[in-house]
Amino acid sequence: EPEVTQTPSHQVTQMGQEVILRCVPISNHLYFYWYRQILGQKVEFLVSFYNNEISEKSEIFDDQFSVERPDGSNFTLKIRSTKLEDSAMYFCASSYKGNEQFFGPGTRLTVL
Amino acid sequence: EDQVTQSPEALRLQEGESSSLNCSYTVSGLRGLFWYRQDPGKGPEFLFTLYSAGEEKEKERLKATLTKKESFLHITAPKPEDSATYLCAVPGGGNTPLVFGKGTRLSVIA
Repeated sequence: EPEVTQTPSHQVTQMGQEVILRCVPISNHLYFYWYRQILGQKVEFLVSFYNNEISEKSEIFDDQFSVERPDGSNFTLKIRSTKLEDSAMYFCASSYKGNEQFFGPGTRLTVL
Repeated sequence: EDQVTQSPEALRLQEGESSSLNCSYTVSGLRGLFWYRQDPGKGPEFLFTLYSAGEEKEKERLKATLTKKESFLHITAPKPEDSATYLCAVPGGGNTPLVFGKGTRLSVIA
């Protein structure tokens, strides 16, 4: 069964460093998303991407964040200068029609 | 104001003891209600989508139902492997494709 994959599973970085989180969505899906979940809190929407551009973004998704689909299979989230409060699980999701979203296993980001 | 409220926050059941989880929502013009299962340290796993009041979906020991104001996830004769956090989500207004509730943490004891 097709699934969303994410790498790395765990990323440790120093405050102020740049990180890139990678995702491979399900191959025939057209809509792509990033969410995050701070430990013990709700899953929160960050950004959605369709037709090679950002379609929606939340207040969390400020200028420190960017997304890219560099080729036909990968979807990346870059955080330019990490802060302590960026520590969270980051989930990639994809959808065929923009309704049911299928999530990856997540990347645990720890900022020291 | 929360658009999705789940109750209870935690539920402990004996194996075989059936129960229901609740998800109430306040969005107007519902464009679907989604149930997910989340195991510790893992991503949400899609379970069901419900689109209209009266609709029901089933999968093994789980059945999801929808009214105009809330959804229920019924668990019949649960097993320890059903232990997880169950999340409810709706498409939000504005810039939020999915708005999640805080979830119900279910523990099924053998």
